Amino acid sequence: GAGVSQSPSNKVTEKGKDVELRCDPISGHTALYWYRQSLGQGLEFLIYFQGNSAPDKSGLPSDRFSAERTGGSVSTLTIQRTQQEDSAVYLCASSTSLNQPQHFGDGTRLSIL
Amino acid sequence: AQTVTQSQPEMSVQEAETVTLSCTYDTSESNYYLFWYKQPPSRQMILVIRQEAYKQQNATENRFSVNFQKAAKSFSLKISDSQLGDTAMYFCAFISGNNDMRFGAGTRLTVKP
Repeated sequence: GAGVSQSPSNKVTEKGKDVELRCDPISGHTALYWYRQSLGQGLEFLIYFQGNSAPDKSGLPSDRFSAERTGGSVSTLTIQRTQQEDSAVYLCASSTSLNQPQHFGDGTRLSIL
Repeated sequence: AQTVTQSQPEMSVQEAETVTLSCTYDTSESNYYLFWYKQPPSRQMILVIRQEAYKQQNATENRFSVNFQKAAKSFSLKISDSQLGDTAMYFCAFISGNNDMRFGAGTRLTVKP
């Protein structure tokens, strides 16, 4: 069956531009997570959605970052006025519920020039 | 706040031998979940093994097993009969009962032929 799908796989943009990253979770998974992974580093939690509950935004690094999840399925992570330090791989994961194993997408590699 | 520490940035092991990756965590909670994830080079993050804190029995998945020491807050991963395909970054992860998520910085494991 289909896994977690992320698009684009790579994104190169100029500093100051806005970017949108997309995540299609596994069908039926109610929990969806966004992480950031800088080169050679671990995962930095950004945000998660659980069903129709308000998202936990505690990991978002600044107010330039926002995310939404429409219809309990597809999610977009938006970074406004990008900075060079935003360059990283952004990973999305989904699970049947919180505390269950997460299934990860291949990530979006974002490069800010 | 919960923290997860992987004290071994890099490790290597000969094919067919056994290797243990360490992970310690800090929490004041009694209800939580621990995971080991594997990220092969340029590939998707996948779950290796999961442990619920209320279970005393160590989780086992084929060649992978954990040594969960709750009092010591230690959650090491043992890989038996190492294979070349085990070469990857390994991340230890903690999710609390109130859904606070933390990942360790990772251990880069190389299996040598």
